[in-house]
Amino acid sequence: GAGVSQSPSNKVTEKGKDVELRCDPISGHTALYWYRQSLGQGLEFLIYFQGNSAPDKSGLPSDRFSAERTGGSVSTLTIQRTQQEDSAVYLCASSLELAGGSREETQYFGPGTRLLVL
Amino acid sequence: AQSVTQLGSHVSVSEGALVLLRCNYSSSVPPYLFWYVQYPNQGLQLLLKYTSAATLVKGINGFEAEFKKSETSFHLTKPSAHMSDAAEYFCAVSAGNTPLVFGKGTRLSVIA
Repeated sequence: GAGVSQSPSNKVTEKGKDVELRCDPISGHTALYWYRQSLGQGLEFLIYFQGNSAPDKSGLPSDRFSAERTGGSVSTLTIQRTQQEDSAVYLCASSLELAGGSREETQYFGPGTRLLVL
Repeated sequence: AQSVTQLGSHVSVSEGALVLLRCNYSSSVPPYLFWYVQYPNQGLQLLLKYTSAATLVKGINGFEAEFKKSETSFHLTKPSAHMSDAAEYFCAVSAGNTPLVFGKGTRLSVIA
């Protein structure tokens, strides 16, 4: 597609339920990032994928959070046993791999998934 | 380690007035610097970026920013504000090929 897409755009869930958020990066972008945007915390990095592997998971806030990427394309972020503090906008970004294996430094963002945990 | 400080969580300007949004950074390596804009209920859109080429960077919608190493600053400016510029603006830093570290954001209001 022309840009990064995310689904669902909005998600309301009950505390304790699991949720899956999906990100479809720009075609050909091998690097994929997840960020979280919440009131009071601003924009926080969660996890980064290069291809299907995740060399940097340092931003995941707890073991309830996990992510995977298959086929070097679509990624899903899963939050188990959701808590009210998980309410936030979850943003996905992707960037292009250049010749020689380096990555273009610009990250292109999707519209985000707004998660509300009741 | 890298960090970004955006001075002023809310800036209000009159239509046609100068826009100045401040950003100071800290980085242990030569930084890549970015300004993103976020309109209500939308994702982040890149305005401009500095990647060690020209220190004065021009972006979309008439915005520009100047990288000043001595001041560790990357302030965003626009000579004349338009109503459509009302949005939230984020400054971000990276070491290149690394996750972005964002400032807290500055909400710009434009008064008619």
